Amino acid sequence: GAVVSQHPSWVICKSGTSVKIECRSLDFQATTMFWYRQFPKQSLMLMATSNEGSKATYEQGVEKDKFLINHASLTLSTLTVTSAHPEDSSFYICSAVRGRPYNEQFFGPGTRLTVL
Amino acid sequence: ILNVEQSPQSLHVQEGDSTNFTCSFPSSNFYALHWYRWETAKSPEALFVMTLNGDEKKKGRISATLNTKEGYSYLYIKGSQPEDSATYLCAGHSGAGSYQLTFGKGTKLSVIP
Repeated sequence: GAVVSQHPSWVICKSGTSVKIECRSLDFQATTMFWYRQFPKQSLMLMATSNEGSKATYEQGVEKDKFLINHASLTLSTLTVTSAHPEDSSFYICSAVRGRPYNEQFFGPGTRLTVL
Repeated sequence: ILNVEQSPQSLHVQEGDSTNFTCSFPSSNFYALHWYRWETAKSPEALFVMTLNGDEKKKGRISATLNTKEGYSYLYIKGSQPEDSATYLCAGHSGAGSYQLTFGKGTKLSVIP
């Protein structure tokens, strides 16, 4: 149990285009999902908290108009990188929170985004 | 937000050797510590969630201990196997009301056959 899928696993796009990444909890419902970004040799850095039925909460320094998050159902959150630029190239990974008491996060396999 | 540090950054061991690595975090404002195992091209896999000082958890050949007073956790692997090669992440969780985790940079373990 506790499987999270993420699609696509990798994407290459031209500068200025938008890219949508999907994160799905396959066998549990998740009212909260997280989106992280990881640059080479760095930690997973939290970008935003996605809450089902409400607006996402963004971490300091993350542009909400650039990284659009939609959490329309208890099993799906999407991250759209709008007008992507080469500096947005990174590894994006989502996680879904399943239950209490320790709020364990289960991760998707990640998406490698390369913007040309 | 916790400041979580892991050491070493990378580690090479021979098959059959036992090994351990460290996660350190501020002892104040601590709620739980999570260990994950992350193999290349796969999802990070949750290993342990630890909350109490003195906690010791075990899963097969992997075990972990927690010292909340001094702010560290050790992960031990007994008799390392090539399939143990992965990056091991620890993450701190600072409050019962928050789901957010703060991750260390990970320890990349390579087990040489």
